[in-house]
Amino acid sequence: DTEVTQTPKHLVMGMTNKKSLKCEQHMGHRAMYWYKQKAKKPPELMFVYSYEKLSINESVPSRFSPECPNSSLLNLHLHALQPEDSALYLCASSQLYKEKLFFGSGTQLSVL
Amino acid sequence: DAKTTQPNSMESNEEEPVHLPCNHSTISGTDYIHWYRQLPSQGPEYVIHGLTSNVNNRMASLAIAEDRKSSTLILHRATLRDAAVYYCILRVIYGGSQGNLIFGKGTKLSVKP
Repeated sequence: DTEVTQTPKHLVMGMTNKKSLKCEQHMGHRAMYWYKQKAKKPPELMFVYSYEKLSINESVPSRFSPECPNSSLLNLHLHALQPEDSALYLCASSQLYKEKLFFGSGTQLSVL
Repeated sequence: DAKTTQPNSMESNEEEPVHLPCNHSTISGTDYIHWYRQLPSQGPEYVIHGLTSNVNNRMASLAIAEDRKSSTLILHRATLRDAAVYYCILRVIYGGSQGNLIFGKGTKLSVKP
């Protein structure tokens, strides 16, 4: 199994809602990543988890809260988002820091 | 963060070879050169990576300059399904940015039938 599975594929939420994005991989990878991608722009790194511990936070606002409950799962909790947070949210995983990343197909988020 | 520079767009004819260039003049000796591509409405897909020597796989070849300040992704016979945005990225192994895969702007490849 060489897949990274993201759910849901699409999400529409209001600015007062709380929602979560989920990411799962069963490749035994110990590094997991969240990226944000706006239309026609490259992906921007948000968070990196290494061995279930947060190792990189690229100055992301606190309305985005990542969580890594175990080595296979990565969540992104969303609260009080703004319309400008509407984007494609991509999850990825890798074995080691020099190895290739496997990306999921993303969650397309719309904030109304 | 180590930076890469790529042309914004390139065009190719179907079944012809494509050479996608990338400049990375500030690369350090331990940075790996990675290439990913992203098709419309999909997540990025790994293509190839290397450190110093040229690399080949079933998707493409990677030619790395001797001074490592530039590299070229080679698609041997472009197909319509190769139309995508191609990203050249430096994978930092040591230091504060360890493990980060920071995307540049990429090259949008169009393939004409």
